[in-house]
Amino acid sequence: GAVVSQHPSWVICKSGTSVKIECRSLDFQATTMFWYRQFPKQSLMLMATSNEGSKATYEQGVEKDKFLINHASLTLSTLTVTSAHPEDSSFYICSAIERGLRAGGRYNEQFFGPGTRLTVL
Amino acid sequence: AQSVTQLGSHVSVSEGALVLLRCNYSSSVPPYLFWYVQYPNQGLQLLLKYTTGATLVKGINGFEAEFKKSETSFHLTKPSAHMSDAAEYFCAVPHRLAFGKGNQVVVIP
Repeated sequence: GAVVSQHPSWVICKSGTSVKIECRSLDFQATTMFWYRQFPKQSLMLMATSNEGSKATYEQGVEKDKFLINHASLTLSTLTVTSAHPEDSSFYICSAIERGLRAGGRYNEQFFGPGTRLTVL
Repeated sequence: AQSVTQLGSHVSVSEGALVLLRCNYSSSVPPYLFWYVQYPNQGLQLLLKYTTGATLVKGINGFEAEFKKSETSFHLTKPSAHMSDAAEYFCAVPHRLAFGKGNQVVVIP
């Protein structure tokens, strides 16, 4: 099956610093990647949709200047949390759709990374 | 817009007993439906999915779900719970992958 990795798996940083999280598709090319945020004991909330070579599409209420997304290649998307604050502490999960499938192809099955636990002190 | 509803955030089940997690969807057309499992501090793993064809879908770890259009439901079941089934379970539809709120399953020895 398709494998998606995330790095780092966990990170602790001081308030005001920026943190970059990488999402990689290891054995397939991903035209589209998604970034989710999950608070404790809650469901996943879609933050943004990232398409290779173009600007990310952010969900309503998500600050694009706060959460910078770069999808520079077909196997890598990065999420940078700028000037992080304690309220940004969360579990961030990425997912990817395989390239070559038309929109809705393979029924929009997404392959998920293992997540990154961010703690801002 | 498509959405899914999961009732009962916490579900306790005795080891060996039936696991039943309910999912209802709202849509004007039959959707594609997924069940995912999430273990603590991990990403999501696909349990099973309904796309077309057979309405009874079998997934990994002994789970299965039945798509019932008349009831707009896609309930997840497992005949006999195992301790390793303790996890969070999410029902989802593919349009921007809308997730249900999830069910935290606790298995009681």
